[in-house]
Amino acid sequence: AQTVTQSQPEMSVQEAETVTLSCTYDTSESNYYLFWYKQPPSRQMILVIRQEAYKQQNATENRFSVNFQKAAKSFSLKISDSQLGDTAMYFCAFMSQWSAGNKLTFGGGTRVLVKP
Amino acid sequence: DAGVTQSPTHLIKTRGQQVTLRCSPKSGHDTVSWYQQALGQGPQFIFQYYEEEERQRGNFPDRFSGHQFPNYSSELNVNALLLGDSALYLCASSPGRGVYEQYFGPGTRLTVT
Repeated sequence: AQTVTQSQPEMSVQEAETVTLSCTYDTSESNYYLFWYKQPPSRQMILVIRQEAYKQQNATENRFSVNFQKAAKSFSLKISDSQLGDTAMYFCAFMSQWSAGNKLTFGGGTRVLVKP
Repeated sequence: DAGVTQSPTHLIKTRGQQVTLRCSPKSGHDTVSWYQQALGQGPQFIFQYYEEEERQRGNFPDRFSGHQFPNYSSELNVNALLLGDSALYLCASSPGRGVYEQYFGPGTRLTVT
């Protein structure tokens, strides 16, 4: 079974600065998908960014980018130019390419607080 | 275009009772997954429905059951509620095979007293 670990329970960052969230995972598979989801106080889980394991290029979405290290099984998220609206819980998630369904396995989350 | 909707938003039940939660997927999506999120934790996969059948199931007891209707909406049923069932229940939908992004609803907050 796959596991996802987020070792930072909480992080704070000043507005306009950069913060990096860590995520490691354990799997024996070679093809899979990785995601970062954001969950603000409103509770709605929002997809931030996704990475296919077969792609060497790191994914980017506006101010969000990832550092995907397949051999190390590491998948960190960098938030640049942090904004107050980035305050939320962030979850790293794994999805197998080969299972019958497309279930997500989540980490425990990192709470990000952006300070003005 | 409506996103994933869930009802009710909140509910309170007593230990031993039964509860039904409902989910309508995003337009064009035919796969529905259910997750349980305990306070301060990441979501845990309960099960997934596709073509009105349970396609995949997580490590949850048989007290948790579900159903998918021909219009792709879904229900999650929990019998013999325990205090530990108190959680946020999230529904997510996706457009079926070959597409792996899941879109989440706002969740139903269940409190068992």
